[in-house]
Amino acid sequence: AQSVAQPEDQVNVAEGNPLTVKCTYSVSGNPYLFWYVQYPNRGLQFLLKYITGDNLVKGSYGFEAEFNKSQTSFHLKKPSALVSDSALYFCAVRDTGNQVYFGTGTSLTVIP
Amino acid sequence: NAGVTQTPKFQVLKTGQSMTLQCAQDMNHEYMSWYRQDPGMGLRLIHYSVGAGITDQGEVPNGYNVSRSTTEDFPLRLLSAAPSQTSVYFCASGGRGTSFYTFGSGTRLTVV
Repeated sequence: AQSVAQPEDQVNVAEGNPLTVKCTYSVSGNPYLFWYVQYPNRGLQFLLKYITGDNLVKGSYGFEAEFNKSQTSFHLKKPSALVSDSALYFCAVRDTGNQVYFGTGTSLTVIP
Repeated sequence: NAGVTQTPKFQVLKTGQSMTLQCAQDMNHEYMSWYRQDPGMGLRLIHYSVGAGITDQGEVPNGYNVSRSTTEDFPLRLLSAAPSQTSVYFCASGGRGTSFYTFGSGTRLTVV
């Protein structure tokens, strides 16, 4: 079965510092991996995806993610955090039936 | 605007009542799904559909029914609401030409 794990419920980072939100996955076959962001009282918004190709994937709002096959990880990163990046972040994996399964989410707080 | 539309945005039900959460998309997407979001549990897949006339169960299908008579609509029915169904419900859609899902803005359901 496909699954993703987000080991941190909460991440705090100072504005201007780099941020990392962690995700590990378990899939059979080639992974299709995604990051979504959820702002308060809103639906999820797509940030970026890894299907194939370069291990470093660039997405919306300056975010990027690094796919590491040997560590089965897909960590979300940003070089310089903004207060407006504060939100709930979800890692997700898509199975061969095109269904998407989500992690439990990581709440990111960027401190001014 | 193209996207996924969910109605209602808020609903309070009494235990045992029935209701239908509506979901419509205008992007001609084949795949549609319903998720529920609960604190600390991320998003869990309730039911999904890979096309009109085809539906299947996700991780937590008990207490919910779905149908997909058209490509555009994917309603979620609660036949006899229970307090355990208090949650935020999200509908999402995706097409063969896109690898990620588009989410609706959610329905916040409270069962008392």
